[in-house]
Amino acid sequence: AQSVTQLDSHVSVSEGTPVLLRCNYSSSYSPSLFWYVQHPNKGLQLLLKYTSAATLVKGINGFEAEFKKSETSFHLTKPSAHMSDAAEYFCVVSLFEDYKLSFGAGTTVTVRA
Amino acid sequence: NAGVTQTPKFQVLKTGQSMTLQCAQDMNHEYMSWYRQDPGMGLRLIHYSVGAGITDQGEVPNGYNVSRSTTEDFPLRLLSAAPSQTSVYFCASSYAYSDSGNTIYFGEGSWLTVV
Repeated sequence: AQSVTQLDSHVSVSEGTPVLLRCNYSSSYSPSLFWYVQHPNKGLQLLLKYTSAATLVKGINGFEAEFKKSETSFHLTKPSAHMSDAAEYFCVVSLFEDYKLSFGAGTTVTVRA
Repeated sequence: NAGVTQTPKFQVLKTGQSMTLQCAQDMNHEYMSWYRQDPGMGLRLIHYSVGAGITDQGEVPNGYNVSRSTTEDFPLRLLSAAPSQTSVYFCASSYAYSDSGNTIYFGEGSWLTVV
């Protein structure tokens, strides 16, 4: 079985400051890990994915995430927040052998001017 | 290349009515699935399919039915709508396996309200 815990339901940052969204996962096997972003009333857009290659993964819009197996974490960061980053972010885990996805509950990001 | 297309985008139903949410993909993906999104719960898997003629239940299948007669289409049927089915529904698809990982592609969502 696999599961995902997003440690913060809401994160508020000032424009131009770093963003950190925390995600822990549990999985019996080697997982694939994803971060998706959802802007209000929109669908889900893939930010980045980890698939057992490099542990530091770079995504779109300046986001990156680091896979830490020892900590079972896959935290998402961005050095400088932009107003357009205000959205909901989902950490997702899946297995190569099992196509089902497990979603975290989501983290809502607010960016203050 | 349209990706994953869901229709309708918005729908209001009365309790007890039935309806079908349509999902189509043009990427020749084997795997398709339906999720519902509710506040504070992320997305939860309703049903999924690993190929034409093959479907299985996810985490929250009750009150929903699916079929997969073609690779492209995966409709979700609400048999007798209930207010608890008010939600946002997402269809998703992917290849069964790829070296670059199973990137999942999502539709734009269908906002369903049951009154």
